[in-house]
Amino acid sequence: GESVGLHLPTLSVQEGDNSIINCAYSNSASDYFIWYKQESGKGPQFIIDIRSNMDKRQGQRVTVLLNKTVKHLSLQIAATQPGDSAVYFCAERYNAGNMLTFGGGTRLMVKP
Amino acid sequence: DAGVIQSPRHEVTEMGQEVTLRCKPISGHDYLFWYRQTMMRGLELLIYFNNNVPIDDSGMPEDRFSAKMPNASFSTLKIQPSEPRDSAVYFCASSFGQTNEKLFFGSGTQLSVL
Repeated sequence: GESVGLHLPTLSVQEGDNSIINCAYSNSASDYFIWYKQESGKGPQFIIDIRSNMDKRQGQRVTVLLNKTVKHLSLQIAATQPGDSAVYFCAERYNAGNMLTFGGGTRLMVKP
Repeated sequence: DAGVIQSPRHEVTEMGQEVTLRCKPISGHDYLFWYRQTMMRGLELLIYFNNNVPIDDSGMPEDRFSAKMPNASFSTLKIQPSEPRDSAVYFCASSFGQTNEKLFFGSGTQLSVL
């Protein structure tokens, strides 16, 4: 989910289906990754995070997968609901002393 | 917990005026961050504090921007003079302990400079 200027990539899914939001990160030395959800008019809300020594981490209805070989991160949402409609951001951190670098975001639209 | 509190939610001002944005971090958090969000650039880190001390302000666009954190429960971001290109949503975030993990964001201030 990389931004292309004014246009956010959009994923449209049917309510009840599973959603997969992808993110390509830039630095092979990044040690920490995090997903945020941002609803219209609100600040980013923490969803789930994962460290580079893990490949997978599960939360409630969400799973984050990390593929360090191809520098790819994905967020899977099970049984997508209308309340999941939002913009989703991934972020990476190069090491503990550095800042989070946010991706451009992907808009998820859930059709009832 | 009330979360990170920002004020005002919306600010409309004229070019050249001074703008002050306010933030109250989550109690007990020792890191505070100011971000700016635009459609073109996404989320950009402007400055962050640790225990009220500014650590990195390399993201502050220019001298018109300044930030202070006089105590653990309050921070301000000031723009003087403001310009139309400063129009954006400004977010404050806070975290505890290990830097740059699990930042908690406020609801933001939508700034429009006419």
